[in-house]
Amino acid sequence: GDSVTQMEGPVTLSEEAFLTINCTYTATGYPSLFWYVQYPGEGLQLLLKATKADDKGSNKGFEATYRKETTSFHLEKGSVQVSDSAVYFCALIPGGRDDKIIFGKGTRLHILP
Amino acid sequence: KAGVTQTPRYLIKTRGQQVTLSCSPISGHRSVSWYQQTPGQGLQFLFEYFSETQRNKGNFPGRFSGRQFSNSRSEMNVSTLELGDSALYLCASSLTSGVYNEQFFGPGTRLTVL
Repeated sequence: GDSVTQMEGPVTLSEEAFLTINCTYTATGYPSLFWYVQYPGEGLQLLLKATKADDKGSNKGFEATYRKETTSFHLEKGSVQVSDSAVYFCALIPGGRDDKIIFGKGTRLHILP
Repeated sequence: KAGVTQTPRYLIKTRGQQVTLSCSPISGHRSVSWYQQTPGQGLQFLFEYFSETQRNKGNFPGRFSGRQFSNSRSEMNVSTLELGDSALYLCASSLTSGVYNEQFFGPGTRLTVL
């Protein structure tokens, strides 16, 4: 079935370091892909999305490219800040459906000053 | 514009009890979805309500139920609580039904079952 696999956390980085959080997926057809972020004590927020192969989603300095050949949607940021400390969730909506969104288990990110 | 609000924020219950959680969506949003978040399973979809009708349901036992009122506010009920029901329950609202519509999440209700 459809699924999302994220790298296990927590991930700890120093401020201004380069960030990569890996996400791979299994899905039939052409899914849409998303990254959500959950700051401490808050609900999830949509960070970025990509709806077709080779699309790049970007927001707040974060980027992710929809790679169909490697079934991946890795999240990257060139220079992280302490305020980026949060839990990041990769998610997909299976192609041709609008009733189901599947989340990865989340990756906790700690940024040290 | 006020965000999604959930009450209560924290709840402690004992096994066998039942619990009701409440969610008020963003004004104008007609769809409300519920999710269970646990460290082991991550986020799992419970159900979605749109225009007072359950539109979709995840793979949870019948002890989990919900409803939506005419003002789009939604409640979720869990009966005969089990230890494994301890989780963060998140509510999300969107303008209309269908997961392609951006969902706005509330802060959640943390339920602890003793």
